[in-house]
Amino acid sequence: GAGVSQSPSNKVTEKGKDVELRCDPISGHTALYWYRQSLGQGLEFLIYFQGNSAPDKSGLPSDRFSAERTGGSVSTLTIQRTQQEDSAVYLCASSLGLVQTQYFGPGTRLLVL
Amino acid sequence: AQRVTQPEKLLSVFKGAPVELKCNYSYSGSPELFWYVQYSRQRLQLLLRHISRESIKGFTADLNKGETSFHLKKPFAQEEDSAMYYCALSPRNAGNMLTFGGGTRLMVKP
Repeated sequence: GAGVSQSPSNKVTEKGKDVELRCDPISGHTALYWYRQSLGQGLEFLIYFQGNSAPDKSGLPSDRFSAERTGGSVSTLTIQRTQQEDSAVYLCASSLGLVQTQYFGPGTRLLVL
Repeated sequence: AQRVTQPEKLLSVFKGAPVELKCNYSYSGSPELFWYVQYSRQRLQLLLRHISRESIKGFTADLNKGETSFHLKKPFAQEEDSAMYYCALSPRNAGNMLTFGGGTRLMVKP
């Protein structure tokens, strides 16, 4: 079956621009997670959704970052006024429930010039 | 706050040799521990989780609560085991978000 998909696979943007990253979870998976993988910080948790609700936003690095999920399916991570330190691979994962195995997408590689 | 430490960034062994990838954690509660693997040009995938007590691709990992460790072991490494390995912890609370270690790159030489 289809796994978690993310788009775009690569994104190059200029400092100060806004970007939107998209995640399509596995069908039927109620939990969705965003992580960031960067050279300096390794793999770090950003935010998770249970259904359309995001109970814990403490992992978001600044108020320039926001995320939403609609219809219990697709999620969008938005970064406003991008900075060079936002350059990283953004990973999405989904799971059947909160205690189930997380399945990862291929990631979106973001480069902020 | 929880923390996961993988002391080795790179581990190089010869094919057929035993391999042990170290993982130590700190967490005040009772966590769940995982090993994830990322092969070249592939996505991150679960290798094993401690509650399953399985052996996957010949790898095993035992949770040692006294030493707060969850080392990954394989008695005879294969070239196809070459990959990036990440140890991860979940607090088993409502969110189940993963805290990852820095990763260890395993290179198995022929």
